[in-house]
Amino acid sequence: AQSVTQLDSHVSVSEGTPVLLRCNYSSSYSPSLFWYVQHPNKGLQLLLKYTSAATLVKGINGFEAEFKKSETSFHLTKPSAHMSDAAEYFCVVIENAGGTSYGKLTFGQGTILTVHP
Amino acid sequence: GAVVSQHPSRVICKSGTSVKIECRSLDFQATTMFWYRQFPKQSLMLMATSNEGSKATYEQGVEKDKFLINHASLTLSTLTVTSAHPEDSSFYICSARGRRTTNEKLFFGSGTQLSVL
Repeated sequence: AQSVTQLDSHVSVSEGTPVLLRCNYSSSYSPSLFWYVQHPNKGLQLLLKYTSAATLVKGINGFEAEFKKSETSFHLTKPSAHMSDAAEYFCVVIENAGGTSYGKLTFGQGTILTVHP
Repeated sequence: GAVVSQHPSRVICKSGTSVKIECRSLDFQATTMFWYRQFPKQSLMLMATSNEGSKATYEQGVEKDKFLINHASLTLSTLTVTSAHPEDSSFYICSARGRRTTNEKLFFGSGTQLSVL
């Protein structure tokens, strides 16, 4: 079975300061991990994904995440927040049983990021 | 990139009425569509999976007679909440994938906020 825990329901930062959104997962098989972002009235957009290649994954808009198997974590970071980063972020895991990626997506509870001027 | 259009974005209805939510893939053939539900402060939970031309597969605890899913074409899936009650008030979101793609490549609609009075 798989699960995802986003450790913070809300994160508030000032523009220009670093962003850290935390995610821990559990999975019985080698997982694929994702971060999605949802801006108001828009669909979920894929920020980045980890699929057993490089453990440090770079995504769009300057975001990156590091897969740490020993810590079962996949935290999302950005060196400098922009106002446009304000949104809700979801950490997602797919459990790749049998080496395929047709498994169910399991979502974290979401983290709302607020960016102050 | 691929676009999934979901309508309506928000609906308010009286208890006992039925509500239909549409999810359209605008520039690709959506062979598989997923419907999720998100209650406040909780994760998105998969309700059902539908493949074009087949009956939907519902997750445990989701009533198939209450949440009718139709996926009659490669570009349209609908979710009908029948005889809605206040406890059905939730955020519903669809996602779709195309032919020969895995769940690592899903496209999401913008969601529907349902409020049942």
